[in-house]
Amino acid sequence: KAGVTQTPRYLIKTRGQQVTLSCSPISGHRSVSWYQQTPGQGLQFLFEYFSETQRNKGNFPGRFSGRQFSNSRSEMNVSTLELGDSALYLCASSLESIYEQYFGPGTRLTVT
Amino acid sequence: AQSVSQHNHHVILSEAASLELGCNYSYGGTVNLFWYVQYPGQHLQLLLKYFSGDPLVKGIKGFEAEFIKSKFSFNLRKPSVQWSDTAEYFCAVIRRGGGADGLTFGKGTHLIIQP
Repeated sequence: KAGVTQTPRYLIKTRGQQVTLSCSPISGHRSVSWYQQTPGQGLQFLFEYFSETQRNKGNFPGRFSGRQFSNSRSEMNVSTLELGDSALYLCASSLESIYEQYFGPGTRLTVT
Repeated sequence: AQSVSQHNHHVILSEAASLELGCNYSYGGTVNLFWYVQYPGQHLQLLLKYFSGDPLVKGIKGFEAEFIKSKFSFNLRKPSVQWSDTAEYFCAVIRRGGGADGLTFGKGTHLIIQP
């Protein structure tokens, strides 16, 4: 069974731009979560989607948003990029509950 | 909100040494506990998990962890490490009954095994 895939793997954007990241969960998994990983803050939870609805949300500003499609694929959008948004963005999927998650390789976003 | 503390940020051991990585969490309610590992150049992988029952859980590659509720701890152990265990190890916790905060991770422990 294929694992969680994320595209693109690397991205360079300029401050003020917006970006969209994509995540395809493991086949059959309906829950998709997003995390931000930085050297200073470590891994932080952004939000979780289940059945096309945001089910849980972390403590990030409204510039960070997401959505989930009927095939469980998810996208994350960051608007008005700031230098501090440079990070590894990880997607994780799970069957139903958020409890047992499997992570993708991440998208490395660099904001200049 | 819950938090997770990993005691050591960097650990260096020789092959065949025993390993114990500390993890403490702060949350008064019921939680599920996890250890994830990130090998160089690879993505996060689930090492082991505790949901309920026997507080001593066994994971992949000979790792085990013990949940001590009274100490809010979930320490990771391995009797004899190998060079291939060199990786970043993350302890994580999630509240049971909602998971509104998602997984809360510790800052990680960078383990280096010297041959």
